[in-house]
Formats: sequence, C-alpha cells, structure tokens
Amino acid sequence: NAGVTQTPKFQVLKTGQSMTLQCAQDMNHEYMSWYRQDPGMGLRLIHYSVGAGITDQGEVPNGYNVSRSTTEDFPLRLLSAAPSQTSVYFCASSKQGSTEAFFGQGTRLTVV
Amino acid sequence: KQEVTQIPAALSVPEGENLVLNCSFTDSAIYNLQWFRQDPGKGLTSLLLIQSSQREQTSGRLNASLDKSSGRSTLYIAASQPGDSATYLCAVYSNTGKLIFGQGTTLQVKP
Repeated sequence: NAGVTQTPKFQVLKTGQSMTLQCAQDMNHEYMSWYRQDPGMGLRLIHYSVGAGITDQGEVPNGYNVSRSTTEDFPLRLLSAAPSQTSVYFCASSKQGSTEAFFGQGTRLTVV
Repeated sequence: KQEVTQIPAALSVPEGENLVLNCSFTDSAIYNLQWFRQDPGKGLTSLLLIQSSQREQTSGRLNASLDKSSGRSTLYIAASQPGDSATYLCAVYSNTGKLIFGQGTTLQVKP
C-alpha cells in the first residue's frame, strides 16, 4: 500500500523556471492538500481540493496553481519560480476534510 | 483566525522519563485534532487523531487528550526512549477541513 507518493524528492530550479510537483494517493481519498514547511513558520496550507474538479486556495497560494482531474492525483505547479519558494513541500490526503490525514515524504525544492 | 501554539519548542530528557507535550489553540470550534511525528528530513507520520467528541486517545506508550473548552491538547509519552527523538506536531481541523499546525516541539531523549 503506497499511501501518498510525491515526486521528485529533491529539485533545484533557476529563478523564473516552471515545474510541477507530483502527488498521487491510492487510498481513494476525496480530500487532498499541499503544504509548505519553512523554518520558524511551520506548515502552511497552499491549496486544497475536496474532490475531483474542485480546488480552493489556502493560506499562501500566490505563485502556485493546482488542478484535480482525477481522485488520485493533485499536482502543484510553480509558474515562475522565485527564491522565496525555496521550501519543503508536502502533499496530504484524507478520506474527508476532518478525518485522519496522511502525508507524503516531501519534496525539497531549492530556487537559485 | 485559528492559531495553534506548542510549548516548549524544544525538550531534552533522559531515557525512561515520562513527559508531556502541550498544544493550545485559540478557537475552540474545532472538529478534530491530530498529533504527528516528524523525523529530520522526513515526512509526517500520524500518531493519534482525536475526534471532537472524544477526550482522549491511546496508542501504545502514547496518550493524547483534548479539552476543547480550554483550547488545549496534551501528548503524554510514557517511558521515553531514544527512538522517540523527533519533532512532534499538533494540528487542528477547522470547520472547512483545513489543517492548522503548531510549530512543533523537538524532543531529544538521551540514552
């Protein structure tokens, strides 16, 4: 049982480049979300989705786009990378909004 | 706006001690509360989920309590071991299903 899978694990981007962080879950969970974790700031919600075709903004959505075309996948797109987006990104899923959340292993992104 | 605070930020104890980690939240209108463990450079591992109607949950040497009226949760670790060394995160669920995290308590258990 794979749970929540994130790829890649590490990535270095140049300022202005774009990329997509992948997230997939095999638990048939409706609720998926993306967080970033920064020293001294804790985990902050970027975007979330309550089901296929439905997404909404979290606390820090600027510079990121998401889509949810299937229940399993919830990719996070960086449109034009900035050094301020250097962070560790976590994807999470849960059966419903307030049930137990499961997290992926994270993507460590550095923007130079 | 819901705010979650964890005190202390860091804790160092000798092996075998019982210890308590604290989590407080400003808005008592939460749904559920979840405790996580995070090892350095790793993802978050779920430890315990306390539903809003419950007062506590137990798993092995871990016991988590929830007092919504006072805006507090505690994670009790019995007979601590060096393998318990990690960062422990508390998160509360808002009524829209969003998780709001505290900044964590970093625990070191010395042999």
